[in-house]
Amino acid sequence: AQSVSQHNHHVILSEAASLELGCNYSYGGTVNLFWYVQYPGQHLQLLLKYFSGDPLVKGIKGFEAEFIKSKFSFNLRKPSVQWSDTAEYFCAVTTSGTYKYIFGTGTRLKVLA
Amino acid sequence: DAGVIQSPRHEVTEMGQEVTLRCKPISGHNSLFWYRQTMMRGLELLIYFNNNVPIDDSGMPEDRFSAKMPNASFSTLKIQPSEPRDSAVYFCASSLGGGQAETQYFGPGTRLLVL
Repeated sequence: AQSVSQHNHHVILSEAASLELGCNYSYGGTVNLFWYVQYPGQHLQLLLKYFSGDPLVKGIKGFEAEFIKSKFSFNLRKPSVQWSDTAEYFCAVTTSGTYKYIFGTGTRLKVLA
Repeated sequence: DAGVIQSPRHEVTEMGQEVTLRCKPISGHNSLFWYRQTMMRGLELLIYFNNNVPIDDSGMPEDRFSAKMPNASFSTLKIQPSEPRDSAVYFCASSLGGGQAETQYFGPGTRLLVL
């Protein structure tokens, strides 16, 4: 069965530090990849998604992610985090022929002011 | 534009009681999803509707859970009888289509506590 792994469960950074959150999936075929963010007490919001084309995807709020097919990875990056980026981040994947999102377990990011 | 609307936002009930969660998807979206979020299991898809028809209910935990979508603008998730292990945040999401690259738009969730 397909699965998504987010190895970092909790990350603590100081403001202005660079961020990279890992996401790996297990599926050998065509995939579509998503990063969602959930701010405290709020619903999930789409940060960015990849479905074809340039493997470097830029999203909202200065986030980007790179799809590396050979590594089955879709890591999320931000060069300089802000206190307001404190949230939980979820990676998700869909595979060809299915609508079903497979979510990772999430990474809780805390940014210290 | 209004996003996905869910009600109630919080529900506290006693074990054995019936609980009904409600969802209004974004107008024009033809796909609707119910998810459950817990610390132990993360985000799990419970059921998926397309054009008001249940397509995949394999994630529904047991017969105590049921979901309906009587029309394009309303869906319910019912738990009867409720149990403490049902305590979770329940999210509804909708998308324009049911395709694999579709963005799902999530509602604010219903935080359910069963005592």
